[in-house]
Amino acid sequence: DADVTQTPRNRITKTGKRIMLECSQTKGHDRMYWYRQDPGLGLRLIYYSFDVKDINKGEISDGYSVSRQAQAKFSLSLESAIPNQTALYFCATSAAVARNQETQYFGPGTRLLVL
Amino acid sequence: QKEVEQDPGPLSVPEGAIVSLNCTYSNSAFQYFMWYRQYSRKGPELLMYTYSSGNKEDGRFTAQVDKSSKYISLFIRDSQPSDSATYLCAMTRQAGTALIFGKGTTLSVSS
Repeated sequence: DADVTQTPRNRITKTGKRIMLECSQTKGHDRMYWYRQDPGLGLRLIYYSFDVKDINKGEISDGYSVSRQAQAKFSLSLESAIPNQTALYFCATSAAVARNQETQYFGPGTRLLVL
Repeated sequence: QKEVEQDPGPLSVPEGAIVSLNCTYSNSAFQYFMWYRQYSRKGPELLMYTYSSGNKEDGRFTAQVDKSSKYISLFIRDSQPSDSATYLCAMTRQAGTALIFGKGTTLSVSS
C-alpha cells in the first residue's frame, strides 16, 4: 500500500461548489503539506502543518482552507471553487526528527477541474 | 527575481547521453538541496539529497552543489528512456522550514 494516499484522484466540479481533498499517510510523519502544480509555475505551497495543532499558510493560501484531523490526516478545502483553481494538487509529508528530515514524500496527486 | 530558477526545457537527448540539469538560487541561507523526479501523472519522488556544498553520487546520478555560485546541478550518466521525466530541484535554509521548488525541467531520452 502507498505511504501517502490522496482522495479523490480526479474531480470535476462547478464554480461556486465547496469541495474537499483528503490526504492520509502511514509513514508516521508529523509534518504534512499541500501543494498545487500548474504548467509553467511548478509546485507552490498552499498550507502546511507541523503537528495536529499547528497550521501555517504557504505562498498561495487565498481561497483555500485546511484541517488537520489527526497526525495521519490533512484535508484541503476549496470553499467556493473557481476555474483558476483547476490544477494538480499534491499532499506531502516529512518527519520532524530524522536523518534528512527536510525530505518530503509526495502522494499521487488529485487532478481537479473547475468548470 | 525568483528564489529558485530552473530552465523548464524541454530537453531531448539520445539514449546513452550525459545529461546536465541545473538550478540557480538567490538565497545564500539555503543549506539543504534536493532533486526530485516526477513521472507523468505521478507525484514527485526524491532522487538525491545533499547538505551544503559538494558532490554526491548514487549510481548513474551525481548531484553537485556550489554554494559560492549559488548553483546546483544533477548529472545523469548513460541516460535511459526510463529517465524521461520532469526533474525538480528543491532547497531550504534549515530543518523545519518549507521547501522552495524550481519549476522543473522536462527530460526526454530517446532510444
